[in-house]
Amino acid sequence: DIQMTQSPSSLSASVRDRVTITCRASQSIFSYLNWYQQKPGKAPKLLIYAATNLQSGVPSRFSGTGSGTDFTLTISSLQPEDFATYYCQQTYNSPPTFGQGTRVETK
Amino acid sequence: QLQLQESGPGLVKPSETLSLSCTVSGASINSNDYYWGWIRQPPGKGLEWIGSVHYTGSISYNPSLKSRVIISVDTSKNLLSLKLTSVTAADTAVYYCARQPGLAAASDYWGQGTLVTVSS
Repeated sequence: DIQMTQSPSSLSASVRDRVTITCRASQSIFSYLNWYQQKPGKAPKLLIYAATNLQSGVPSRFSGTGSGTDFTLTISSLQPEDFATYYCQQTYNSPPTFGQGTRVETK
Repeated sequence: QLQLQESGPGLVKPSETLSLSCTVSGASINSNDYYWGWIRQPPGKGLEWIGSVHYTGSISYNPSLKSRVIISVDTSKNLLSLKLTSVTAADTAVYYCARQPGLAAASDYWGQGTLVTVSS
């Protein structure tokens, strides 16, 4: 299985901060990388697919970059509703695998 | 508007079979464009993909669960099903059904999830 490693595991930030989360794959996954947001008690919500594509309805403050093994999710100006846990997922090889998650907390 | 809704017992005894259903509304499960799958999340932990199915019968399972899992679709009822046999406490999790626009695609619509606890 392809291992996905996110960093940091958690971070503290304030509203309007720029937040960056990284995800590294154990081998090249080209651009088969997706990002999800999950709030407590809720299902994950797709934010970014194929590394850089914003899912319909997702605010433009979210963006994704990267290819190969290294990827980044950026929130350009953190909003109160963005405090949540974020997961990356590779879908290049079966089984699809997720990172361990990054919890974004209020400072 | 596409909606997915999981249902099934919230408590299963060890060694028994976990059976869940996912009712799909707002879209046809027999669309050529989509796979339908299951993902689970143990309490306080991360996400694990279980498997995905296309209505034509194409199925992919996580090798870690393959010997115990059956995923199927009932096109007449627009229903996705999951069976997991010989469960243990390690199978306690929130189980989500989700749609994928392709086997190597992200899951773009999710059900709300259902907690299944394995305990005697």
